Amino acid sequence: AQKVTQAQTEISVVEKEDVTLDCVYETRDTTYYLFWYKQPPSGELVFLIRRNSFDEQNEISGRYSWNFQKSTSSFNFTITASQVVDSAVYFCALSSGSSNTGKLIFGQGTTLQVKP
Amino acid sequence: EAGVAQSPRYKIIEKRQSVAFWCNPISGHATLYWYQQILGQGPKLLIQFQNNGVVDDSQLPKDRFSAERLKGVDSTLKIQPAKLEDSAVYLCASSSGDFSLGYFGPGTRLTVT
Repeated sequence: AQKVTQAQTEISVVEKEDVTLDCVYETRDTTYYLFWYKQPPSGELVFLIRRNSFDEQNEISGRYSWNFQKSTSSFNFTITASQVVDSAVYFCALSSGSSNTGKLIFGQGTTLQVKP
Repeated sequence: EAGVAQSPRYKIIEKRQSVAFWCNPISGHATLYWYQQILGQGPKLLIQFQNNGVVDDSQLPKDRFSAERLKGVDSTLKIQPAKLEDSAVYLCASSSGDFSLGYFGPGTRLTVT
């Protein structure tokens, strides 16, 4: 079975704090892809990152960084020096199988509130 | 490059009525997806098209939901008759194959009263 778990339902931080959003996934496939999306109040899903199962290198993009650990089936997302504009719902998603057809299994989402 | 277009953005109907949503994918994208996002949950795939053929509709409630993609471009998702539990945001997405940069539309928020 394929599953994505985002145990944190809501997180509230004060601006400039660092915050980590957790994501744990389950799949029996050896080839899979992991994604993070941001959903601001406007509702549109904004793609943030994709990682494939063979690339465990951590990635940094500006204030965003991602930690992929196959040993713990986790793909955590850290925002450094958070800003009010980071307030949104963040989804972790899994696409499993070598074809990467785009069928995404989403977690329940984590609502991040950044207070000024 | 224009994004994925969806209409209407909002729709309110009474239960047992019918409703249709429209999606225009990014030009040249062969793969089109419809996702349903119930409030407080992550999106769930309803149906996936490759050109005008269905790849996956395993989670589409076929007794009331139908979708088509004529000519492999635009797509329409229909609900007939609607139930209260169909209240959700319906998201359309498209990709050129590899979903590394799948693009989502703004969604249609449906309220069934």
